[in-house]
Amino acid sequence: EAGVVQSPRYKIIEKKQPVAFWCNPISGHNTLYWYLQNLGQGPELLIRYENEEAVDDSQLPKDRFSAERLKGVDSTLKIQPAELGDSAVYLCASSVAGAGETQYFGPGTRLLVL
Amino acid sequence: EDQVTQSPEALRLQEGESSSLNCSYTVSGLRGLFWYRQDPGKGPEFLFTLYSAGEEKEKERLKATLTKKESFLHITAPKPEDSATYLCAVQAGFQKLVFGTGTRLLVSP
Repeated sequence: EAGVVQSPRYKIIEKKQPVAFWCNPISGHNTLYWYLQNLGQGPELLIRYENEEAVDDSQLPKDRFSAERLKGVDSTLKIQPAELGDSAVYLCASSVAGAGETQYFGPGTRLLVL
Repeated sequence: EDQVTQSPEALRLQEGESSSLNCSYTVSGLRGLFWYRQDPGKGPEFLFTLYSAGEEKEKERLKATLTKKESFLHITAPKPEDSATYLCAVQAGFQKLVFGTGTRLLVSP
């Protein structure tokens, strides 16, 4: 069974530029998560989707970050404009049904903002 | 506020030298405690979920245990391929996972 797929794996951009990350969850997983992981830290939740609905986006900096999950499958996370402090690893995870189930992570997208 | 503290931050072992990693937590209404392994440049890989005090789970050289305040990840006779960062996370109710900062394990041949 294929795992969570993310692209790109690496991205280098200049500050103030936009950037987007894409995630394809494990087939049949209706819950999708975006996490941010800084170096030496554990992942921190940005947003959680149940199907198409964002049910927890309290940690998403909405002034520059946006996300969507069309048709309840793939998801895109966007930053516009990027700042130097956004350099981090952006992880996508999925689970079978609702919060409380085991979350399976993708490989992440490593973002460097110059 | 839910909190997770992992210790030690880093651990260096010789191959075959058993040890334990600690995960202390404070949470209101624990739904589950999760252990993940993370290799450099990769996403966290699921290892175990523990739901109640007294529960234990094993996988190869790893054994996870849970009390009301902490969890231990015991590594028996580790091999170099066990080198990784081990992350602990807790979930209260239907809330998000709260992760610790991890323990970086290095096993030397």
